[in-house]
Amino acid sequence: ETGVTQTPRHLVMGMTNKKSLKCEQHLGHNAMYWYKQSAKKPLELMFVYSLEERVENNSVPSRFSPECPNSSHLFLHLHTLQPEDSALYLCASSQDSVGLGAFFGQGTRLTVV
Amino acid sequence: AQKVTQAQTEISVVEKEDVTLDCVYETRDTTYYLFWYKQPPSGELVFLIRRNSFDEQNEISGRYSWNFQKSTSSFNFTITASQVVDSAVYFCALSEGGRLNAGNNRKLIWGLGTSLAVNP
Repeated sequence: ETGVTQTPRHLVMGMTNKKSLKCEQHLGHNAMYWYKQSAKKPLELMFVYSLEERVENNSVPSRFSPECPNSSHLFLHLHTLQPEDSALYLCASSQDSVGLGAFFGQGTRLTVV
Repeated sequence: AQKVTQAQTEISVVEKEDVTLDCVYETRDTTYYLFWYKQPPSGELVFLIRRNSFDEQNEISGRYSWNFQKSTSSFNFTITASQVVDSAVYFCALSEGGRLNAGNNRKLIWGLGTSLAVNP
C-alpha cells in the first residue's frame, strides 16, 4: 500500500462511452500526475498538477480530460477513446520539490473495445 | 537530450543467485536525480531509491545495492541472494532539475524496464 489509491482497477469501455478514472492520496503531497504505460514503451507523462493547477500537458489528445478539485484527488475523464488508448494508467503524487520519489497507485488497466 | 537505457529486456535467474540490472543515462544537466522503481505483477510502481548527481557514494539496503558511477553514466542495481518475490519489472529513471513551482517542469525520463524472473 503506497498511499495512492486508484479506482477502478480494471475498466473496459466502448469507443462511444464516457468514463472517469479516480485517484486519491492522503500523503500530504501537493503534486499529482497521470502516466500512461503501454507495452514496450517508456512511461508517458500525461498531466502534472501542482497545488491543484495544471502545470504540464504533454500534448495529450483532448479525449483525455483531467480534473484536480483539491490536492488529494485527481480524475481523468475519458470520452470517445480509441483502441490504441488501451493501457495501464498510473496516478502518482509527490512533494512539490526536486528529487523526491513519486508514490504511485496500482493503476487502472483500461481496455477500449 | 535526456535518455535512460536499460539494455537488458528480460533476465531470468534461479533463487539465491545475485543479479545486476544495468542502467545507463544521458543528460546535459549538472544537477539531476536518478531513481529505481519496482513494478510487481500487481501493477503499482514502488519507489526503491533516489540518488542525486553530487553523491556518488554507493548505497546498500538489505539485499539491494546500487552502484552510481558518473564516469560511465551508469546507475546499476544489484540484488544479492535473489528471491522469488523479487520477480518484477524494474525501471530506472532520470529527473531533470528544477522545481514545479518555479515554472520548470520536473519530469522523470524512464527506461523501458528490465523484467526479472526469479525461479525457485
